[in-house]
Amino acid sequence: KQEVTQIPAALSVPEGENLVLNCSFTDSAIYNLQWFRQDPGKGLTSLLLIQSSQREQTSGRLNASLDKSSGRSTLYIAASQPGDSATYLCAVRGNDYKLSFGAGTTVTVRA
Amino acid sequence: DTAVSQTPKYLVTQMGNDKSIKCEQNLGHDTMYWYKQDSKKFLKIMFSYNNKELIINETVPNRFSPKSPDKAHLNLHINSLELGDSAVYFCASSQDRLAGANTGELFFGEGSRLTVL
Repeated sequence: KQEVTQIPAALSVPEGENLVLNCSFTDSAIYNLQWFRQDPGKGLTSLLLIQSSQREQTSGRLNASLDKSSGRSTLYIAASQPGDSATYLCAVRGNDYKLSFGAGTTVTVRA
Repeated sequence: DTAVSQTPKYLVTQMGNDKSIKCEQNLGHDTMYWYKQDSKKFLKIMFSYNNKELIINETVPNRFSPKSPDKAHLNLHINSLELGDSAVYFCASSQDRLAGANTGELFFGEGSRLTVL
């Protein structure tokens, strides 16, 4: 059974600092890995999708890397802004269609 | 245009009642899901349908019954509601049968917050 762990559970940084969010998973036989953002009381917004054959994906200030062999992914957010405050969720998809979520990292960017 | 839409957004009901949550996606995806997010914000898959066929059925009470009338809709019916059913239920969809860079990317609805009194 796939287990996904996100560290740290919470993070508070001053505006402008770079954010590093970690995700680890136990089964390296994955189909893809997806990073989401969830604002309080809202649904999940897809940020980046990394297919199993890829090493990283970038979108604007966001960069996500994937190392299947070590079971890790890292989400980097450059030059953080207060609007980046949210919970960030890592989800790993196996070849059985199942998406296993981590518990999330709650980020607070202080102005 | 909302890609994945769920109704109702909020549902407050008494124990023992039966309720339904509806989900529709206009993305042309072939796979739809129901997830449950508990009070600790942990997301867990409940069901998944691919082209109206049930492909994932996790260990959930049989009081929960999904129904997919077509590949754009996946509804969730819950019988004899219990206090522990209180949670936010999320519908999601993805395209899985077409190869491409974004194959398997999930898109979520806004969630339906169910409160059982």
